[in-house]
Amino acid sequence: AQSVAQPEDQVNVAEGNPLTVKCTYSVSGNPYLFWYVQYPNRGLQFLLKYITGDNLVKGSYGFEAEFNKSQTSFHLKKPSALVSDSALYFCAVRDGYSGAGSYQLTFGKGTKLSVIP
Amino acid sequence: SAVISQKPSRDICQRGTSLTIQCQVDSQVTMMFWYRQQPGQSLTLIATANQGSEATYESGFVIDKFPISRPNLTFSTLTVSNMSPEDSSIYLCSVQTTSGRGEQYFGPGTRLTVT
Repeated sequence: AQSVAQPEDQVNVAEGNPLTVKCTYSVSGNPYLFWYVQYPNRGLQFLLKYITGDNLVKGSYGFEAEFNKSQTSFHLKKPSALVSDSALYFCAVRDGYSGAGSYQLTFGKGTKLSVIP
Repeated sequence: SAVISQKPSRDICQRGTSLTIQCQVDSQVTMMFWYRQQPGQSLTLIATANQGSEATYESGFVIDKFPISRPNLTFSTLTVSNMSPEDSSIYLCSVQTTSGRGEQYFGPGTRLTVT
């Protein structure tokens, strides 16, 4: 079974400061990892993914995430937060070893990011 | 990427009735999924919509309650049957890009309130 943990329900950060939203995962095979953002009354927007290769992946809106296999983590980061980054962030995992027929994503419970002006 | 639309965007329904939600994609995709997001909760996969065959349901979800159709590679419907207030949620359609390593893209969601 695969699972995702986002240990913080809410993260508050001042505008211009760096931000980190934490995510840890558990899969039996190779992890495919994703970050999504949800703005109020909107669907989920894809930010970035890790499949293989460099541990640091860059995505939309200046976000990046670092894959750490030994710590089974995939934390989302941004060097300088904007007020417009305030939203709900979801980490998701899929087991890359599940075979061609399995595409099930397992989501974390989400972390609400508030960027304070 | 894919552009996904859902109809209706929101609805308020009475207990015991049914609602059908439509999902339209702007390109042919292999995999389509339906998720539920209960108030203040994360996303839970309801089922995979298979083109030309019965949907594949996740544990806790059954066809009688959530019948799904997928007549072609760009369209799917989810029906929420015999609704109760516990069915009040956001229902999201998503698609898998053709690459097996690809991300899923999500529609804007349908906000359902059952009174």
